Amino acid sequence: DAKTTQPPSMDCAEGRAANLPCNHSTISGNEYVYWYRQIHSQGPQYIIHGLKNNETNEMASLIITEDRKSSTLILPHATLRDTAVYYCIARSSGSARQLTFGSGTQLTVLP
Amino acid sequence: DAMVIQNPRYQVTQFGKPVTLSCSQTLNHNVMYWYQQKSSQAPKLLFHYYDKDFNNEADTPDNFQSRRPNTSFCFLDIRSPGLGDAAMYLCATSRVAGLQETQYFGPGTRLLVL
Repeated sequence: DAKTTQPPSMDCAEGRAANLPCNHSTISGNEYVYWYRQIHSQGPQYIIHGLKNNETNEMASLIITEDRKSSTLILPHATLRDTAVYYCIARSSGSARQLTFGSGTQLTVLP
Repeated sequence: DAMVIQNPRYQVTQFGKPVTLSCSQTLNHNVMYWYQQKSSQAPKLLFHYYDKDFNNEADTPDNFQSRRPNTSFCFLDIRSPGLGDAAMYLCATSRVAGLQETQYFGPGTRLLVL
């Protein structure tokens, strides 16, 4: 899996958009970008994933640069419940294997 | 809603007393995983079932075993828990399709060993 780099922490005001960056400059053509988050004392929660195109679902949007070397997860209207550690993972898998979490970004949503 | 369920959320056991953690899923996924997560660390894969095939990670201690009686259920057995086995145990499921494999996690069971 390609190495990913994320800022260790970020703050965001409640109701504002939270933009979480991720660098994956060595990503290969068949690796997807996955985002998970882990709220304290809970299991990791899948958010979104993409390969080349931008993706949007009910939780978030994923913007992937054209060269695929970086991406941004956008939470359009952050709430206090979005406070969590967010993990960006670059991965391809044609088989079942470990999901490798890096250090992630601690997002704190402030009232 | 389709989901991954883990019971109980908190489990207390005594040093050396066998304990079983359970996981069930309504996603009809063919792969089920067990991860161990210790405080302030990333989840670490113990083993997984791909359909009925059991796959153990090389560094998983023999003290940890697993059973998958059917597609929906998977159990983690700790034969003789030590103090170092206190952790959050996470069950995850996935369906492998091409180069994509999205894992969905349960809420976890926090194990305390006295």
